[in-house]
Amino acid sequence: AQKITQTQPGMFVQEKEAVTLDCTYDTSDQSYGLFWYKQPSSGEMIFLIYQGSYDEQNATEGRYSLNFQKARKSANLVISASQLGDSAMYFCAMREDLNYGQNFVFGPGTRLSVLP
Amino acid sequence: EAGVTQSPTHLIKTRGQQATLRCSPISGHTSVYWYQQALGLGLQFLLWYDEGEERNRGNFPPRFSGRQFPNYSSELNVNALELEDSALYLCASSGRSGDNSPLHFGNGTRLTVT
Repeated sequence: AQKITQTQPGMFVQEKEAVTLDCTYDTSDQSYGLFWYKQPSSGEMIFLIYQGSYDEQNATEGRYSLNFQKARKSANLVISASQLGDSAMYFCAMREDLNYGQNFVFGPGTRLSVLP
Repeated sequence: EAGVTQSPTHLIKTRGQQATLRCSPISGHTSVYWYQQALGLGLQFLLWYDEGEERNRGNFPPRFSGRQFPNYSSELNVNALELEDSALYLCASSGRSGDNSPLHFGNGTRLTVT
């Protein structure tokens, strides 16, 4: 079963508008972490934002915020004031805290295109 | 602090040959993860090494193998290369469990099999 679901294969947004990229996850663990990464066409994976399962407040990093709804098991990424440079693939990921270490599971990604 | 480094950046091989990809984690990181990303697709988990041991492997044939050295650097070996092995191979490292740090990725090795 998919542990990370990203239901939007592609999204378009007008420059300067806000956009929400969806992510739902599946786990029965109490301790886990959620991450978002950006992958431009150059291929590098850029860490954007982190939310811990015990964090009560939504994480924010500049124009990025994570809308964490624990009961619904969702961790949506909100990008405010989109810029042309935000066009990229975006991956949601979950860290599983296992007794022998950490495992990271990635979603299939959402391709965001920012229109001028 | 140096990031995760991967070598080579590009690798061109012929079908049937072997490829060796290398990764050096961030200093202090003991876990190394390998992912395969075919063109336009998501990340497929390959292997996870921690403290020199293979902790988990993804759904890949045995010709994909690797190891982690005492200095925590890692090698990914792909034997009997097939055309569909052409992909971007990403290595990532992480700190110890519980430190809430993300995966830190290298810039990848782009493998082309002709």
